[in-house]
Amino acid sequence: KQEVTQIPAALSVPEGENLVLNCSFTDSAIYNLQWFRQDPGKGLTSLLLIQSSQREQTSGRLNASLDKSSGRSTLYIAASQPGDSATYLCVAAGNKLTFGGGTRVLVKP
Amino acid sequence: EAGVAQSPRYKIIEKRQSVAFWCNPISGHATLYWYQQILGQGPKLLIQFQNNGVVDDSQLPKDRFSAERLKGVDSTLKIQPAKLEDSAVYLCASSPSTEAFFGQGTRLTVV
Repeated sequence: KQEVTQIPAALSVPEGENLVLNCSFTDSAIYNLQWFRQDPGKGLTSLLLIQSSQREQTSGRLNASLDKSSGRSTLYIAASQPGDSATYLCVAAGNKLTFGGGTRVLVKP
Repeated sequence: EAGVAQSPRYKIIEKRQSVAFWCNPISGHATLYWYQQILGQGPKLLIQFQNNGVVDDSQLPKDRFSAERLKGVDSTLKIQPAKLEDSAVYLCASSPSTEAFFGQGTRLTVV
């Protein structure tokens, strides 16, 4: 059974600092790993999807890496802004989608 | 491309009442998921459909929850009777293969 863990559960940083969010999964037999953003009371917005054959994906200030052998993915957000404050969820896609518990990020002005 | 549509956005009911949520997935997406997200937690899978067949409903509380997917397209999730602990956001997602697209969710408050 796939288990996905996100550490830390919460993170607070000053504006401008780089963010590093970690996601670990127990079963490396995944098709892809997806990172989502969730604002309070809202649905999920897809940020990045890394196929199992890829090592990383980049979009603007966001970069996500994937290491299947060690069961880890990391989301980097460069030069954080207050608008980056949200909960970030990683999802491992195998036969089903398995969510981590999320990391709640607060970027202070 | 239209996204995943869910309705209603918000619902407040008393315990022991019944409630239904509706989801219209992205056209052509074979897989449809319902998730329950309790405040402060990650989403938990309730049920997964492939076309109009159930793939996984192992975490669906079948004594009170039911779901169906009509003709492999729209889906409804029903709770009867509702309990206080059912207060959560109910998320619907659809997928053409392995990438998931989520709706805005339905926030249910049971009082």
